[in-house]
Amino acid sequence: EAQVTQNPRYLITVTGKKLTVTCSQNMNHEYMSWYRQDPGLGLRQIYYSMNVEVTDKGDVPEGYKVSRKEKRNFPLILESPSPNQTSLYFCASSFSPGQGLEQYFGPGTRLTVT
Amino acid sequence: DQQVKQNSPSLSVQEGRISILNCDYTNSMFDYFLWYKKYPAEGPTFLISISSIKDKNEDGRFTVFLNKSAKHLSLHIVPSQPGDSAVYFCAATGTASKLTFGTGTRLQVTL
Repeated sequence: EAQVTQNPRYLITVTGKKLTVTCSQNMNHEYMSWYRQDPGLGLRQIYYSMNVEVTDKGDVPEGYKVSRKEKRNFPLILESPSPNQTSLYFCASSFSPGQGLEQYFGPGTRLTVT
Repeated sequence: DQQVKQNSPSLSVQEGRISILNCDYTNSMFDYFLWYKKYPAEGPTFLISISSIKDKNEDGRFTVFLNKSAKHLSLHIVPSQPGDSAVYFCAATGTASKLTFGTGTRLQVTL
């Protein structure tokens, strides 16, 4: 089954404790992206990757890191989480970054930072 | 600076009637527009899209209209069904790398 998977689905952590949210896709997509969803703000892009070893900042990259060492995986790293990073996070992928960007989304990771 | 705006946070429609969801954008460089649907506890799923060279695209019960001069697009669902109850996001892109989303409209289809 073609899908984007994220782990964990739910995470409660404390300020400053490094964490990684994994994202994996099995569709051989070149393009992958991370979004956060907050009430009243919709989905905002954090980082994206056009292909292996190619990553770039989205609209809200502060406090986040990413890496793309393999085509299928695109982990999101929070080196020192803060309460304002409490949010619902989505990973997405698509075949190419060309026109259309009909992205496939993962099920989401709900992160709470206390 | 919200470049894609959905001014109605919620909408309630009776089953069988038409649902019209609206979206406005400010960036004239946007040339492709998409609608996504999101159920609780799931990721958004692609619904329908339209290129800026068209003014209408239809897929079954779903039609998207684009008015470039007004920088406005709308999604029509006819007839509305209870299973259409979800949050709908419009999104726009003008480059190969970036998709800008609106804030979403929660549609409730009542019996």
